[in-house]
Amino acid sequence: DVKVTQSSRYLVKRTGEKVFLECVQDMDHENMFWYRQDPGLGLRLIYFSYDVKMKEKGDIPEGYSVSREKKERFSLILESASTNQTSMYLCAWGGPNTGELFFGEGSRLTVL
Amino acid sequence: AQSVSQHNHHVILSEAASLELGCNYSYGGTVNLFWYVQYPGQHLQLLLKYFSGDPLVKGIKGFEAEFIKSKFSFNLRKPSVQWSDTAEYFCAGYSGGYQKVTFGTGTKLQVIP
Repeated sequence: DVKVTQSSRYLVKRTGEKVFLECVQDMDHENMFWYRQDPGLGLRLIYFSYDVKMKEKGDIPEGYSVSREKKERFSLILESASTNQTSMYLCAWGGPNTGELFFGEGSRLTVL
Repeated sequence: AQSVSQHNHHVILSEAASLELGCNYSYGGTVNLFWYVQYPGQHLQLLLKYFSGDPLVKGIKGFEAEFIKSKFSFNLRKPSVQWSDTAEYFCAGYSGGYQKVTFGTGTKLQVIP
């Protein structure tokens, strides 16, 4: 099975700090995604990428950016963290044209 | 707009009880449907999926779901739940283009021994 590894399971940051969340997949998959998961809201798509240096906005991109310099690595960046970005962040890769997603274990971010 | 709705936010059952979690979708054309499960402290994983064909699909751990096109529903069922089924369950739909994978708000299932 393809493994998706997220660099940090738990992070605590202060308001205004720059935050990097990294995601690495161990196969040559093109499609990668960042979601945030909040109680009562389900999963919401922040950004996705379908190839190196390619990125597309999802439903809630405000306050976030992404970087994909290598195919296996997809990073989520919070330029200036705010308390309303306290959440669980999920990285996933997806097979072509089916909608099926494979998730990492998640990174729980708390912004104080 | 495309949407997926889950009616039950929190369900509490005793072991051996039967389970049915509701999921309704709003898509105009062909749709692929999924149920994902997130056990406590674990990553989100696929429980079962429907692309086409037999509307009754079977997944892991004894779960099944039925696609009823006329009711726009894809309900998840299990005849007898176990304590280990305690988890959060998400329904999701896809109709083309990755930004169109839409998730429901999730149902937390608590199974009491």
